[in-house]
Amino acid sequence: DAKTTQPPSMDCAEGRAANLPCNHSTISGNEYVYWYRQIHSQGPQYIIHGLKNNETNEMASLIITEDRKSSTLILPHATLRDTAVYYCIVRALKAAGNKLTFGGGTRVLVKP
Amino acid sequence: NAGVTQTPKFQVLKTGQSMTLQCAQDMNHNSMYWYRQDPGMGLRLIYYSASEGTTDKGEVPNGYNVSRLNKREFSLRLESAAPSQTSVYFCASSEGWTGPSQPQHFGDGTRLSIL
Repeated sequence: DAKTTQPPSMDCAEGRAANLPCNHSTISGNEYVYWYRQIHSQGPQYIIHGLKNNETNEMASLIITEDRKSSTLILPHATLRDTAVYYCIVRALKAAGNKLTFGGGTRVLVKP
Repeated sequence: NAGVTQTPKFQVLKTGQSMTLQCAQDMNHNSMYWYRQDPGMGLRLIYYSASEGTTDKGEVPNGYNVSRLNKREFSLRLESAAPSQTSVYFCASSEGWTGPSQPQHFGDGTRLSIL
């Protein structure tokens, strides 16, 4: 699996958009980009994933650069309940056991 | 709409005791997984079951056994608990595993302390 690099922490204001960057410069052509988050004391929560096109769902938008070497997760209107650790994961087509490799993630604090 | 349910939520054991962690999903998923998360660390895969009737070792299988009881349920057993197994255990499931487009859905974890 390609390695990902995320900032260790960031703050954002409640009601504003939160833009979370992720670098994955060694990504292969058939690897997907996944985003999960983990709210304190809860299990990881799937947010969104994509291959090359931008994706949007009810939780967030995922913007992947044309060269696929980086991506940005956008939470359009951050709320206090979005405070969590956000993980960017790149997964190979046939990852052993289909396992997810969680790195350090970005600790996001949404402030009133 | 329960998703993935884990029981118990908390457990304290003495060294050498055995116990089984239960996991059930109601999403008709084929694949199920057991991870552990230690403080300040990411998740590590213990065992997985790609489909009903199959199980395979993950990164850290030593000291654990699993049973895929049916399509819904996947249990994790500690035969002789050790303090190094103190951790938070997460169960997850996905629709399938034959491709990277299968997101995994997680339960809320079992917090296990071994004294």
